[in-house]
Amino acid sequence: KAGVTQTPRYLIKTRGQQVTLSCSPISGHRSVSWYQQTPGQGLQFLFEYFSETQRNKGNFPGRFSGRQFSNSRSEMNVSTLELGDSALYLCASSPTLGGTDTQYFGPGTRLTVL
Amino acid sequence: TQLLEQSPQFLSIQEGENLTVYCNSSSVFSSLQWYRQEPGEGPVLLVTVVTGGEVKKLKRLTFQFGDARKDSSLHITAAQPGDTGLYLCAGASGAQKLVFGQGTRLTINP
Repeated sequence: KAGVTQTPRYLIKTRGQQVTLSCSPISGHRSVSWYQQTPGQGLQFLFEYFSETQRNKGNFPGRFSGRQFSNSRSEMNVSTLELGDSALYLCASSPTLGGTDTQYFGPGTRLTVL
Repeated sequence: TQLLEQSPQFLSIQEGENLTVYCNSSSVFSSLQWYRQEPGEGPVLLVTVVTGGEVKKLKRLTFQFGDARKDSSLHITAAQPGDTGLYLCAGASGAQKLVFGQGTRLTINP
């Protein structure tokens, strides 16, 4: 099976802009989770989607949003970018909802905000 | 809020030495997962421990889940340069989101 793919791999934006990141899960996986990884904060959970519905949400401002399509592909959007949004954004897919199953991670999108 | 604390955060040792990484919490988890992340890649699952007191071995890596299911440890015997990476523990509780520790950045020097 093909692994989790994320596009783009690298992105440079300026403050105030918005960005959309894409994630294609492993075929058959219905859960997609998004994480923000920074050296200082580690891996922080953003949200989890299952069957096109957001099921879990982390403690991030409303500028961070996401959605999931009927084919389980997911996108996350960050509006009004801030310097502190610079991070590696990882998506992970799993067959079921929640954390008990193995999370299969993509390689991430490295976002730099200037 | 469930938190997982990993220690040490950074560890640099010589090839052939042994090491232990700890993952502690005040919360009970139904299972604990250990991941390794290499530069430019996402984390990859190494092992999942489910039962309190459980010990799992993966070649030179030994994982243990605490009896109370609040903590876990990873022991590496005779470390090799290929073991270099970021080691992450993650706790799961039913349908709740996975909670990750801060990670231990391990460097094995030849």
